[in-house]
Amino acid sequence: GENVEQHPSTLSVQEGDSAVIKCTYSDSASNYFPWYKQELGKGPQLIIDIRSNVGEKKDQRIAVTLNKTAKHFSLHITETQPEDSAVYFCAAVRGPSARQLTFGSGTQLTVLP
Amino acid sequence: ETGVTQTPRHLVMGMTNKKSLKCEQHLGHNAMYWYKQSAKKPLELMFVYSLEERVENNSVPSRFSPECPNSSHLFLHLHTLQPEDSALYLCASSQDSQGRDLTFGAGSRLTVL
Repeated sequence: GENVEQHPSTLSVQEGDSAVIKCTYSDSASNYFPWYKQELGKGPQLIIDIRSNVGEKKDQRIAVTLNKTAKHFSLHITETQPEDSAVYFCAAVRGPSARQLTFGSGTQLTVLP
Repeated sequence: ETGVTQTPRHLVMGMTNKKSLKCEQHLGHNAMYWYKQSAKKPLELMFVYSLEERVENNSVPSRFSPECPNSSHLFLHLHTLQPEDSALYLCASSQDSQGRDLTFGAGSRLTVL
């Protein structure tokens, strides 16, 4: 099955700096890569996603890049703000079944004021 | 109420108790999911229902019993649990059962003594 590795597990940045979270996947059939943000006491929330036919996608201060050859994708957050502090999960989808959605183990991002 | 609502938010039970977790979605989605979230681990898919029919059972022990009486409500019945079952149980919904564009509830924090 699919294996999704996420790094780092914890990340601290100064407010205003950029943050980058990286994920690698093992199954070349994976074709959809969502990112979820989980704030304290809340469930994960979909913040951005990318499909395998696209190399980069941007939404205001967040962007995701995908390198299919190397089988890795990254989340980039620019001009970080305290409200960006949360746990971020990457995921990879390799087929039409929910069983084929694999999550990474999460990154705790802390934005220091 | 909007989104996905889970009750109770916190539950403490003994190993011989029987309890239930409830999930309700107000999004008009056709699929509902139970995930288990343990510290530092990826989200684990437990069950998926599509239009009240169970479409995935991800090798979950029989001490967890799901019920989906209609497309808006999902239950997880718990009996004779083990301490290692202590975790955050997340309910999610989506338009179809492919595991894409999931909307999560805030979760039910379960502690088994």
